[in-house]
Order: sequence, then structure tokens, then C-alpha cells
Amino acid sequence: TQLLEQSPQFLSIQEGENLTVYCNSSSVFSSLQWYRQEPGEGPVLLVTVVTGGEVKKLKRLTFQFGDARKDSSLHITAAQPGDTGLYLCAGERHSWGKFQFGAGTQVVVTP
Amino acid sequence: DTGVSQDPRHKITKRGQNVTFRCDPISEHNRLYWYRQTLGQGPEFLTYFQNEAQLEKSRLLSDRFSAERPKGSFSTLEIQRTEQGDSAMYLCASSSQGTGGSTNYGYTFGSGTRLTVV
Repeated sequence: TQLLEQSPQFLSIQEGENLTVYCNSSSVFSSLQWYRQEPGEGPVLLVTVVTGGEVKKLKRLTFQFGDARKDSSLHITAAQPGDTGLYLCAGERHSWGKFQFGAGTQVVVTP
Repeated sequence: DTGVSQDPRHKITKRGQNVTFRCDPISEHNRLYWYRQTLGQGPEFLTYFQNEAQLEKSRLLSDRFSAERPKGSFSTLEIQRTEQGDSAMYLCASSSQGTGGSTNYGYTFGSGTRLTVV
């Protein structure tokens, strides 16, 4: 059983549409991160959230950390083909510096 | 600094052979991590180092796996007597230690070493 459950597993949308992906757990995290990974490459960090209820914006991407620090969401506005990739959430417990990853959401944005 | 470097990018080996991968982290980072990723899954934690000390090893890391970071700089991951189930992408990441031991700044990953055991 994965510590972090990501949904949906796969999402295919047209350019210009909005999308939201979710990351849920029964565990509390000291911090949570979102990464995007392209085929054959390592994940690239998008954002770190540490405070319950925190919202961060990165251009068209909006990240939210749940009040109880157990879940998070990533919302993309007006998706572009360049947003295509595997979106991974990763949580750190107890501030030990080790992150555990979810299985990811594969996002495909078609022109 | 060119980021985290991993070598080789691809490795094909016969079952039963030993393989060794190298990771060169970002020079200012004192923490180094190894993860394994299979198709359709997120990265799975294998082990991590703070400087030269190996602080944790996952139960996924059988006796055939060993990792070292002899001088607190580069690291090697060796797999002995490879099995087909070892086929995966092996990812290395580095980070600096944040306040209170938390890695608030996140990982910088290398491009990975893709291992295929035939």
C-alpha cells in the first residue's frame, strides 16, 4: 500500500482546459513537494509546501496543502502541451529529510 | 555546478553479473539519496547519506545491494548477482539540510541510470 495515493492515475485533456490532480494520505507530513518528470529523465521539483492550508502559485500552477497536512492538490489553469508529464507528490515525515513518493499522475495535454 | 550527474545513463547486463553506478551530487549538498523507479510507479526510497554516513537503508535493499559515499562527495551503488527484477531506473538525488533537519529545499535529481537485466 502506497503511503501517498495520487489520483487520477491518468489524465488527458485538450490545450486550454483546466485540471486538478490530488495527493492523499492518512499520515501527517512535515512538508510535501510536487515534481514533474518527463520520460527518461529525473523528476524536477516544482514546489515545497510546509504549512497547513498553504497555497502557492507558480504561473498557471496552484498548489494547496491541506489544513491537516495530510493531503495536497495541484491545479493547472489553461493547460499547454508543455505541461505534459508525470506529476509526483512526495511527503516528508518527522523532518528526517527522507521523502516518500506517490505513484504519480500522468498528464497528457494535446494541442 | 552542472547539477547531479549519474553514470552510466544506460546499462544492459546479463543476469548474475555485478554492476556499479556512480552519482556526483551538487557540491554544496551534504545529503545524497538513491531511489529506484519502475515503469508506472513513483520513485521508491533505497538509501540515503548525510556526508559520508549512511543514515538509512530501505528493506527493499537486499544483501545484494550496497551503497557507499566514501568521502562525502560522490556515491556508488553496486548490485551483485543481478536478477531480472532489478531492471529499473536508478535515481540519485542530493539536497542540503534545512533547519531542524527538514529538507525544505527539495531534491535535485540526476537523469538516472536505466538498468536492463537480460
